[in-house]
Amino acid sequence: EAGVVQSPRYKIIEKKQPVAFWCNPISGHNTLYWYLQNLGQGPELLIRYENEEAVDDSQLPKDRFSAERLKGVDSTLKIQPAELGDSAVYLCASSLGLADADTQYFGPGTRLTVL
Amino acid sequence: EDKVVQSPLSLVVHEGDTVTLNCSYEVTNFRSLLWYKQEKKAPTFLFMLTSSGIEKKSGRLSSILDKKELFSILNITATQTGDSAVYLCAGNNAGNMLTFGGGTRLMVKP
Repeated sequence: EAGVVQSPRYKIIEKKQPVAFWCNPISGHNTLYWYLQNLGQGPELLIRYENEEAVDDSQLPKDRFSAERLKGVDSTLKIQPAELGDSAVYLCASSLGLADADTQYFGPGTRLTVL
Repeated sequence: EDKVVQSPLSLVVHEGDTVTLNCSYEVTNFRSLLWYKQEKKAPTFLFMLTSSGIEKKSGRLSSILDKKELFSILNITATQTGDSAVYLCAGNNAGNMLTFGGGTRLMVKP
């Protein structure tokens, strides 16, 4: 079974440029998450989708970050414009969204470097 | 605000040693505690714990949860160099929101 797929794996851009990340969750997983992980720290949630609906985006910096999950499958996360402090690994995860015993599975992440 | 703290921050051992990693949590409407192993890429799922005192085991790894004292431990016996990684602990609340700790970086020397 294919896991969570993310692309690109690495991205280097100059500050003020836009950037987009793509995520394809595990087939059948209704819930999709975007996390940000800084070096030496645990992942921090940015946004969570239940199907195509964003049910928690309280940690998403909405002035420059946006996300969408059209048709409730793939998702994109966009930053415009990028700032130096956005350099991090952006992880996507998915889960079945079970009421109990829900487990999130992570993709390989996109490592963003903003110069 | 939910909080998860892991200790130690880092650990260096030799092959064959046994290690214990600690995780304490404060999670509102706690549902489960998860352990992940992260090498150079994605965190990979190890265990999910929902009940106190019931050990989960997978090969040389085992984990247990204490819901009264709000902590969990992850044990690795007979460590191997391939166990070198960052081990992440996360608390899951009723809304399926994970709060991660900062991780424990384990290095196993030959």
